Amino acid sequence: SQELEQSPQSLIVQEGKNLTINCTSSKTLYGLYWYKQKYGEGLIFLMMLQKGGEEKSHEKITAKLDEKKQQSSLHITASQPSHAGIYLCGADMWGNTGKLIFGQGTTLQVKP
Amino acid sequence: AAGVIQSPRHLIKEKRETATLKCYPIPRHDTVYWYQQGPGQDPQFLISFYEKMQSDKGSIPDRFSAQQFSDYHSELNMSSLELGDSALYFCASKGLAGGPSVTDTQYFGPGTRLTVL
Repeated sequence: SQELEQSPQSLIVQEGKNLTINCTSSKTLYGLYWYKQKYGEGLIFLMMLQKGGEEKSHEKITAKLDEKKQQSSLHITASQPSHAGIYLCGADMWGNTGKLIFGQGTTLQVKP
Repeated sequence: AAGVIQSPRHLIKEKRETATLKCYPIPRHDTVYWYQQGPGQDPQFLISFYEKMQSDKGSIPDRFSAQQFSDYHSELNMSSLELGDSALYFCASKGLAGGPSVTDTQYFGPGTRLTVL
């Protein structure tokens, strides 16, 4: 079973539409990371959340961590083709060990 | 800004051969992590080093070993390669407080794609 569940597994949206990707755990997360990966390439750091209720934004991407620190969402506003890729959430479940467990990823396609 | 450097980017080996992957962390980063990502899978933690000492170990086969050197670069040595070792191998490094990157954030390298024939 996956300790971090991401949903949806894949997403196709029209350019300009908003979308949300969710990452859920049954355990408290000590750090929640969002990365973006182009197929077969490296992971690009997007955002890190540590405090319950925390919310961060960068350009058109907003990430939130719920108060219980068990669920995070990544929201993209007015999607563009450049947003296409695989979004991975990663979490430290042991208390700042740095050892990350990842969700299975969400593949995003943006249709022009 | 400097990023994590991995070499080689691509490597093709035969079964039972050995391979060495190298990782050069972001300057002033003292912690290195290695991950393995199989085709269509999420990255799996292998091993980590802090200040040249092994700090944590994950699902790393006994055929694999790694170390971190005095200049903080790290090498992952893989012996008796098997077909199932074909994967993307990522190195990530983590920053010091006050350093050039966000504290406690792992920055990933571009990966080394290992193909075992």
